[in-house]
Amino acid sequence: GQQLNQSPQSMFIQEGEDVSMNCTSSSIFNTWLWYKQDPGEGPVLLIALYKAGELTSNGRLTAQFGITRKDSFLNISASIPSDVGIYFCAGQESGGGADGLTFGKGTHLIIQP
Amino acid sequence: DGGITQSPKYLFRKEGQNVTLSCEQNLNHDAMYWYRQDPGQGLRLIYYSQIVNDFQKGDIAEGYSVSREKKESFPLTVTSAQKNPTAFYLCASSIKRRMNTGELFFGEGSRLTVL
Repeated sequence: GQQLNQSPQSMFIQEGEDVSMNCTSSSIFNTWLWYKQDPGEGPVLLIALYKAGELTSNGRLTAQFGITRKDSFLNISASIPSDVGIYFCAGQESGGGADGLTFGKGTHLIIQP
Repeated sequence: DGGITQSPKYLFRKEGQNVTLSCEQNLNHDAMYWYRQDPGQGLRLIYYSQIVNDFQKGDIAEGYSVSREKKESFPLTVTSAQKNPTAFYLCASSIKRRMNTGELFFGEGSRLTVL
């Protein structure tokens, strides 16, 4: 399958700080998605992006579909303790079927008190 | 409440034993999926099914088997042929018209440990 490079691998931040993470691919994607996984749980969809250049917000979260269609960014503003978890990007290739979803390796967000 | 239920949440297995992980959904979703998650890795697709009585291999199907006899159920069997079965297993589902968008609903996962 395709490879997604997600960075950073982990982030140690103070409560209240803003967070930025990104994913890049060698392939063009039709859809970019961002999921969050709490410890010991399944991932939950945060934001889905369908058009190049699209900027979408969900509360304190903002994600963008890169113009080249090969990257995506997720920002979290004013982090709070419940933001702790692993954030995964995922991309769906153009023409890809139900099996065509590729996941990044995740960004582990840790908030220091 | 609608959702996906995986059981058991924790499972220990001796080498050479087959185990079956249960996945049930009451969301009336058409497609169901099994993913494997290892520490520091992304999710890797094992099997998926878009309709009853039909399923397709994903990227890492070797050593696994599935069935889809009912729309609501998609059990995964980890066979003794799987060389490194210790992992966190996630079941997911999606509605038909969203099948190709990557919008998935996940269960809470099952952690399998081989002793």
